[in-house]
Amino acid sequence: EVQLVESGGGLIQPGGSLRLSCAASGFTVSSNYMSWVRQAPGKGLEWVSVIYSGGTTYYADSVKGRFTISRDKSKNTLYLQMNSLRAEDTAVYYCARGVYSSNWFIDFWGQGTLVTVSS
Amino acid sequence: DIQMTQSPSSLSASVGDRVTISCRASESISNNLNWYQQRPGKAPKVLIYAASSLQSGVPSRFSGSGSGTDFTLTISGLRLEDFATYYCQQSYTTVWTSGQGTKVEIK
Repeated sequence: EVQLVESGGGLIQPGGSLRLSCAASGFTVSSNYMSWVRQAPGKGLEWVSVIYSGGTTYYADSVKGRFTISRDKSKNTLYLQMNSLRAEDTAVYYCARGVYSSNWFIDFWGQGTLVTVSS
Repeated sequence: DIQMTQSPSSLSASVGDRVTISCRASESISNNLNWYQQRPGKAPKVLIYAASSLQSGVPSRFSGSGSGTDFTLTISGLRLEDFATYYCQQSYTTVWTSGQGTKVEIK
């Protein structure tokens, strides 16, 4: 059974850093398209970062230069290192797996972890 | 970035109604359009991928259509469990973008 379990969220001051983790089971993270998607309170979905199976990464302009996506093959875990955090980064962060069938879409999501950036 | 615009932002409907939600892309995305349902406090769930393909396990009352810039999600025969927020999302570019959501509420 596919499962994604995020951790690492919490309350952090502006300018601080946080690392989110997403432990996967039932499939291999490094062989799949993986992404981090966030949702600010009462708002829509924003794709933050993606990493393809080959290792290519992409970032939304809003986080470029501040966030880094990575994965650990031995731990089957996806990470999001978040630096220079701002109030507008406050959101629930979801880890998600993408699959391709005619086009790309997300077929499994984690339960989300809340990041609150506030002084 | 490709902007995705949904309409309406919310709607009220009754059980059994047919509901239509529209999604427009700021430029052509071919059929690289997906629809998700999100219930309060839960992660989204894919309903339709590639504009019109029904994801396995999703009831057939959900259908999608469109290509290029204009897309539609239709729910034929609304059920209580369908009251939720729906998002369209494009996977044409390397970083995907979604609409702002359409909240379907009980009339």
